[in-house]
Amino acid sequence: EVQLVESGGVVVQPGGSLRLSCAASGFTFEDRTMHWVRQAPGRGLEWVSLITWDGDRIDYADSVKGRFTISRDNSKNSLYLQMNSLRTEDTALYYCAVAISGWYYFDYWGPGTLVTVSS
Amino acid sequence: QSVLTQPPSVSAAPGQKVTISCSGSSSNIGNNYVSWYQHLPGTAPKLLISDNDKRPSGIPDRFSGSKSGTSATLGITGLQTGDEADYYCGTWDSSLSAVLFGGGTKLTVL
Repeated sequence: EVQLVESGGVVVQPGGSLRLSCAASGFTFEDRTMHWVRQAPGRGLEWVSLITWDGDRIDYADSVKGRFTISRDNSKNSLYLQMNSLRTEDTALYYCAVAISGWYYFDYWGPGTLVTVSS
Repeated sequence: QSVLTQPPSVSAAPGQKVTISCSGSSSNIGNNYVSWYQHLPGTAPKLLISDNDKRPSGIPDRFSGSKSGTSATLGITGLQTGDEADYYCGTWDSSLSAVLFGGGTKLTVL
C-alpha cells in the first residue's frame, strides 16, 4: 500500500524559513518523480514543484521560484521542500504526491501538512 | 486566474449525468495529456483520469474523460450524493515548464 506522510508544517513569521518532509513507503521511491502541491484556504490546488527520480530535472511554479528548493534522499525514501523568504500568501496545506501513471500526474497523495505564515 | 478554465460549479440530480469542461491552449492541453482529480473536503485528492481518458484501477466506469483540441471534459454518470466534491483538471504546460491545475469545479448533487 502506497503511503505518503508529510511533516514540518508550523506557524512561521513572514520572511522566515521552514523545511517540509515527506516519508514514502509502499512503492519503489527511487524510481518515481515526486511533487509538492498546495491548497491555500478557500482556494484551489496549486502545483509547487517536481523532482525526477534522479534529481536531474527540477521545476518550480513561478510563485515560489527562487525561494523554495525541492530535494530528495532516495536512501531514506524521503522528499523535502526547503521554504525560505516565506510570505503570507504561502499559507496553505502542503501535499506531497507521487507520479506513477506519468511524470506530471499525481497518483497518490499524502494527507498534507499545514503551513501558516503570520505575524 | 487559472490558465486552465473550468466552470466554478455544476449541479445535477442523483442518477443524472454531468460534464465538467476544462479549456486551455496549445502549450498545455493542446499538446499534453490531461488528468482529472476528485477532492472531497478533508481528504487527499484522488486521481480519476490519466492520459485524457484512462481510469486507474478502482475508479468506476461512471467516470470518463475525453479531449479535443485545447479542451478536455470529465463526464460522470449515475450521479450519487457521494460524488459531491471539487473536481480539477491538470496538465503540463510546455511553455511555462510547469504543471497546471484548473480553478476547480464544485459538483453539487441536488
